[in-house]
Amino acid sequence: KAGVTQTPRYLIKTRGQQVTLSCSPISGHRSVSWYQQTPGQGLQFLFEYFSETQRNKGNFPGRFSGRQFSNSRSEMNVSTLELGDSALYLCASSAVSGVLDKETQYFGPGTRLLVL
Amino acid sequence: KNQVEQSPQSLIILEGKNCTLQCNYTVSPFSNLRWYKQDTGRGPVSLTIMTFSENTKSNGRYTATLDADTKQSSLHITASQLSDSASYICVVSAMNYGGSQGNLIFGKGTKLSVKP
Repeated sequence: KAGVTQTPRYLIKTRGQQVTLSCSPISGHRSVSWYQQTPGQGLQFLFEYFSETQRNKGNFPGRFSGRQFSNSRSEMNVSTLELGDSALYLCASSAVSGVLDKETQYFGPGTRLLVL
Repeated sequence: KNQVEQSPQSLIILEGKNCTLQCNYTVSPFSNLRWYKQDTGRGPVSLTIMTFSENTKSNGRYTATLDADTKQSSLHITASQLSDSASYICVVSAMNYGGSQGNLIFGKGTKLSVKP
């Protein structure tokens, strides 16, 4: 079974631009969660989508948004990029909700975003 | 404020030795606690997930304990191997007070180096 895939793997943007990242979950998984990882803050939870609905949410500003399609693929969008948005963005998939349920999440390799 | 603190920040041990990593949390309401292993340059891999009622969970040479009264967890690694060199991250899942949504609170991780 193929693992979680994320595209692109690397991305360079400038301040003020917007960016869209994509995540394809493991076949059959309905939940996709997104995370930001920086050296200073470590891993932080952005949000989780389940069956095309945002189910859980972390403490990020509205510039960070996402959506999930009927095939469970998910996209994350960051608008009006700031230098501090430079980070590794990870997505994870699970069969059911990966936040409140006792469900193993499987992580993708991440997209490394650099904002100049 | 919901927080997860891990100690030590870093640890060096010799191959074959045992070690214990600590996680203290002030997350409420508590849903579950997870330990992840993250190799450099890769996404995290789930080791264990424990709910309020579980005291111990094992996954091969990894054993996690949870004391929900003192809000402490530990991850014990037995007979360490060179491949155990990684960051180990403690994550606590919190429910919102309505019980309908959750958030994941991450510790900063313990960086373990196993030397031959």
